[in-house]
Parts: sequence; structure tokens; C-alpha cells
Amino acid sequence: QQQVKQSPQSLIVQKGGIPIINCAYENTAFDYFPWYQQFPGKGPALLIAIRPDVSEKKEGRFTISFNKSAKQFSLHIMDSQPGDSATYFCAASRGGGSYIPTFGRGTSLIVHP
Amino acid sequence: DSGVTQTPKHLITATGQRVTLRCSPRSGDLSVYWYQQSLDQGLQFLIQYYNGEERAKGNILERFSAQQFPDLHSELNLSSLELGDSALYFCASSVAGGGPDIQYFGAGTRLSVL
Repeated sequence: QQQVKQSPQSLIVQKGGIPIINCAYENTAFDYFPWYQQFPGKGPALLIAIRPDVSEKKEGRFTISFNKSAKQFSLHIMDSQPGDSATYFCAASRGGGSYIPTFGRGTSLIVHP
Repeated sequence: DSGVTQTPKHLITATGQRVTLRCSPRSGDLSVYWYQQSLDQGLQFLIQYYNGEERAKGNILERFSAQQFPDLHSELNLSSLELGDSALYFCASSVAGGGPDIQYFGAGTRLSVL
């Protein structure tokens, strides 16, 4: 059972474009939603995270939009750059434990110069 | 550099064998997490240790075990290896692990079972 569904699997944009990655979850107990960025040969690194009491969060060129009623959240990358080319994972976790993330399957993003 | 060190970087072994993966957390971090990343299953949580004690368990097979030592480094032991165990194994560490701490991931150990 895939608790966090992520789409698309891959994405190609031109420099300056705004790639959007979408995720949906099923478990309403989830209360923390991080996004991770992974470059080839490296481990995932936390990019930005959001709680469900907030509908949007921005950090630099990265924005998370959150729709609690639809159980969906998405990552937007403004003014994308070739250096943003990486695999992006959404995740969801909950308290009452260790906030262990349940990951989406990942989106491979390529930004062409 | 995340500050989390994993060794070895690559490991090639045969079916039925046993291997040990090592992780040194960031200085000051008490929690260590192990994850498996494969094409089939994606990134999956295996197990968490906090200050030497097991705190959370995920989709870890009975053939796999882990421990965290007094100096806080951790080892993941994989035994009776099967072809399907070939994957990237990541270790992550965080300060406390009781809340949504930032987990810092190592570069991983790539295990190939032939």
C-alpha cells in the first residue's frame, strides 16, 4: 500500500521554468510533510517542510502548497536552474513516535540550460 | 558534506553471505536511522536507534539487524543475503529523534549481491 503517491515520475523543463511536483497522502494522522532533494551519489537532504495548519511555505525559490481537505501537497521551484537537476522526494510523517518519513517514489527533474 | 559517514561506499558479495554496514553520525546527534533505497520499493525506513536503544522499527527483514554502540556509531548487519537485497543503504542521524528533527543522510553504501 503506497501511503504517499508522487507524480510525475520525471520532469524536464527549461531554465527559468517552474516545475511542479505533486503528492497525495491517505493517512490523516500525518502532520509533517518534508521534501527532500537528492543528487546522484549523495543521500537525500531536507529541502523544505510544512505543517498542515499552513497552506503555503516559501524558502527562497522553493514553495510548498498544501491542501489539507484534498490531502495533497506540491512543490514549486521558481526560476529553475540547471543546478536544481536532482531527484525530489515528498514525504509524510506523524508524531506520537519519531516522525519517521514515509516517502513518495521520487521525481527526477532535469533543467536544461 | 552532511557530517554522516558511511562505510564502505560499495560492497559486492554473493548470495547467502553476511555483511556489516557502518555509520558514524554527526557529532552530537543521538539518533541514527537506517533506510533502504531500491528501484522496486523506493526509499524505505528500516530501523531507528536513539542513544543506544531501538526506538522505531519499519520494514526490516528478520535477516537484518542493527545496533548502536556507546560511541553512537551504528552497524547494520545483513545476513543470508539474497539477490533482492541489492540496494543503496542510507544511514541518517538527527539530534534527538522525538520530534520532526532534521535528518542528515550519509552518502550511502551500495550493496550488490551476485
